[in-house]
Formats: sequence, C-alpha cells, structure tokens
Amino acid sequence: NAGVTQTPKFRVLKTGQSMTLLCAQDMNHEYMYWYRQDPGMGLRLIHYSVGEGTTAKGEVPDGYNVSRLKKQNFLLGLESAAPSQTSVYFCASSYLLGGVSYEQYFGPGTRLTVT
Amino acid sequence: AQSVTQLGSHVSVSEGALVLLRCNYSSSVPPYLFWYVQYPNQGLQLLLKYTSAATLVKGINGFEAEFKKSETSFHLTKPSAHMSDAAEYFCAVSDPGTGNQFYFGTGTSLTVIP
Repeated sequence: NAGVTQTPKFRVLKTGQSMTLLCAQDMNHEYMYWYRQDPGMGLRLIHYSVGEGTTAKGEVPDGYNVSRLKKQNFLLGLESAAPSQTSVYFCASSYLLGGVSYEQYFGPGTRLTVT
Repeated sequence: AQSVTQLGSHVSVSEGALVLLRCNYSSSVPPYLFWYVQYPNQGLQLLLKYTSAATLVKGINGFEAEFKKSETSFHLTKPSAHMSDAAEYFCAVSDPGTGNQFYFGTGTSLTVIP
C-alpha cells in the first residue's frame, strides 16, 4: 500500500515550457486535491476532484489544468510555465465520512523551479 | 466558506517546556478539524483530528488538542517538547459547504531550543 505518490520529485523548467505532474493513490479515495505551498502562505488549493471525470477550481487555479480520467490518478498540467509557479506542489486524497470529506493523505511533494 | 487562523508564524520553546500552538476557525462549527505536521522536505502527516466524538483529542507523539466551541479554537499542546518536535504545524478544517474543500492555516514553525 503505497498511499499517495507523486512524480516527479524535482523539476526545473524554463519560462514557457509545459509539464504534467502525476499523482496516484491506491486507497480508492473519491476526492483528490492539488495544492501549492509557498513560504508564509500555507497550502493553497489549485484544483480538486470529487470523483472520476470531475474537476473543480480551487483558490488559485489560473495557469493550471487538471484531469481525472481514472479514479486513482489526478494530473496537474502547466501549459506555459511562469516564474510565479515556482513552488512545492502537493497532492492529497481523502474519503467521505458521513458525506463529509475526512482526513487527507498527502504525497511527498514535487519541487518545481521555473527559470 | 470556512477559514482558519494560526496565531504566531514562529514559536520557540525550550526542550522540556510546554508547547502551545494556536488555531482559531471561523464561527460556523466545522464537522472536522485537523492538525498536520510537516517535517523538512516532506509531505504533511496527520497529528490528530476532531470529529465531535470528544472535545479533547489525543494524537501521535504526545500531542493533544481541545475543541472549544465558545472560543472557536482548536489549540494544539504537548506537555514537554522534544527536539524531534521541531517542524511546521498546520491547522485545517474540512467544509462540506464548499464541495468538501479543506482550508489550511498559514502554519506555525516550531523551534525547540536545547
């Protein structure tokens, strides 16, 4: 049981390049989330998904796209990277308890630098 | 939508001293409250969670938190700090009213002085 995994762990991009971050979970969780973490700002939600084939915008969605084609995978795409997207990205998954999203399980993070 | 406020972005305590990290949530009572810990260069790990079963919640590594509705607080405490407790701590709340999003505080960095 690997939990939540993220690939890659590190990446350096040049401005304007594109990339996709992959998140995978093996806990059969319905909900998945992408966050970015920047110093002094905590975690900010980029996009999330409440089930296979569904996605929704979070607090800071601009410049990112996501897809959830399979229940276990949640992809985060950057079409044209900008230096402002330099950050640590975390994926998380959670299940419902009483109709409410219960504790989140986090991946180890992806450290992205855009030059 | 819910909101979470963590007072004090940096807290320093001596080894063996009481640890108190503060968290206040918005006025509407959330169904679940959480404390997470993040060690350097790692993801977040759940410390404890409040699920309305009991107001005093015990977690891992000797931490506990008390839910106080009258104060809209969920402060994290540990009687005696260890060097290994040095980390970033995040308070969070889940909100079914906004599609089950989670809202995190901005975090408190705990330093333990030997």
